Amino acid sequence: AQSVTQLGSHVSVSEGALVLLRCNYSSSVPPYLFWYVQYPNQGLQLLLKYTTGATLVKGINGFEAEFKKSETSFHLTKPSAHMSDAAEYFCAVRRSGGSNYKLTFGKGTLLTVNP
Amino acid sequence: ETGVTQSPTHLIKTRGQQVTLRCSSQSGHNTVSWYQQALGQGPQFIFQYYREEENGRGNFPPRFSGLQFPNYSSELNVNALELDDSALYLCASSSTGGTEAFFGQGTRLTVV
Repeated sequence: AQSVTQLGSHVSVSEGALVLLRCNYSSSVPPYLFWYVQYPNQGLQLLLKYTTGATLVKGINGFEAEFKKSETSFHLTKPSAHMSDAAEYFCAVRRSGGSNYKLTFGKGTLLTVNP
Repeated sequence: ETGVTQSPTHLIKTRGQQVTLRCSSQSGHNTVSWYQQALGQGPQFIFQYYREEENGRGNFPPRFSGLQFPNYSSELNVNALELDDSALYLCASSSTGGTEAFFGQGTRLTVV
């Protein structure tokens, strides 16, 4: 079984400040990890993913995340927040390999960016 | 390259009715998954279809059923609608050997 915990349902930062959204996962098998962003009344857009190899992954819009197996974490960061980053962010996990694409999501973190 | 498209975008149904939601997968993708996202929650996996067969299911009752067609498009059917079925329903497509799922814009279902 797999699960995802996102610490902090709501994070508020000032424009230009560091963004840090936390994600911890539980998985009995090597995982693939993802961050998705959702704007109001929209679907999910993939920000970045970790599958294998380099543990620091870079995504779109200046976001990056680091896979830390020892801490079972995959926190999302961005050095400088922009107003357009305001959205809901979801961390998700699936088992690596195979043809089962089932994603298990966290409950999400709403990011607000203050001018 | 055409992305994942869902129809309709919004729908209002009465409790007890039946509903069909539709999804066209991204070009070249042969696997379709459906998710239910209740207000303020993360998406919950309903089921997955591969080559027209259901090959994975989440914790949803049998009144949630689906189909996948030879062109890989898919339908989600929900019978005997309940108020708690009100949610955003998301479709995602994937390709064999791929690692990520690509999501459509969703269908907002309201049950009254």
